Amino acid sequence: AIQLTQSPSSLSASVGDRVTITCRASQGISSALAWYQQKPGKAPRLLIYDASSLESGVSSRFSGSASGTDFTLTINSLQPEDFATYYCQQSNTYPRTFGPGTKVDIK
Amino acid sequence: QVQLQESGPGLVKPSETLSLTCTVSGGSISSNYWSWIRQPPGRGLEWIGYVYYTGSTNYNPSLKSRVTISVDTSKNQFSLQLRSVTAADTAVYYCAREGLGYYFYIDVWGKGTTVTVSS
Repeated sequence: AIQLTQSPSSLSASVGDRVTITCRASQGISSALAWYQQKPGKAPRLLIYDASSLESGVSSRFSGSASGTDFTLTINSLQPEDFATYYCQQSNTYPRTFGPGTKVDIK
Repeated sequence: QVQLQESGPGLVKPSETLSLTCTVSGGSISSNYWSWIRQPPGRGLEWIGYVYYTGSTNYNPSLKSRVTISVDTSKNQFSLQLRSVTAADTAVYYCAREGLGYYFYIDVWGKGTTVTVSS
């Protein structure tokens, strides 16, 4: 199975900050990577797919990029509703796998 | 839009079978792939497997020997059975749709149901 690692595992940031989360795949997955946001007690929500495509209805503060097996989620001008845990997930092969998550909390 | 709702027992005894059903509303189950994903308390997400409306399946090798996912197109439902459960199977179980784009991303999730394995 393809393994995904995320860094950092957690971070503290302030409203208005720019935040960057990285996900690295253990082997090539083309651009088949998604990013999800999960708030406590809620199901994950799709933000980004195909590494850089914004899901319908998601704020343009969120953006994604890719370079080889490294993928990045950027949140511009962090808002109070953005404090959550973020997961990357690969859809290149089965079994689908997720990264361990990055928790973004308030500084 | 498509909505998913999990249902089933919240408590299962060790060594017994966990059984959950997901009801699809607002759309037909006769397209896309329909999946189960779980999340142990305080931990990350684990993909369990999918069923296609034709009945074809694909399971996570880590659970394959204990899992069956099936579909009932007449009821617009799909189901999960996990046999011989232990405390390690305690988790929130989500049903989901893999249907977005070329790579069939998981784009619709149920709200999740908590299953505790305990005697």
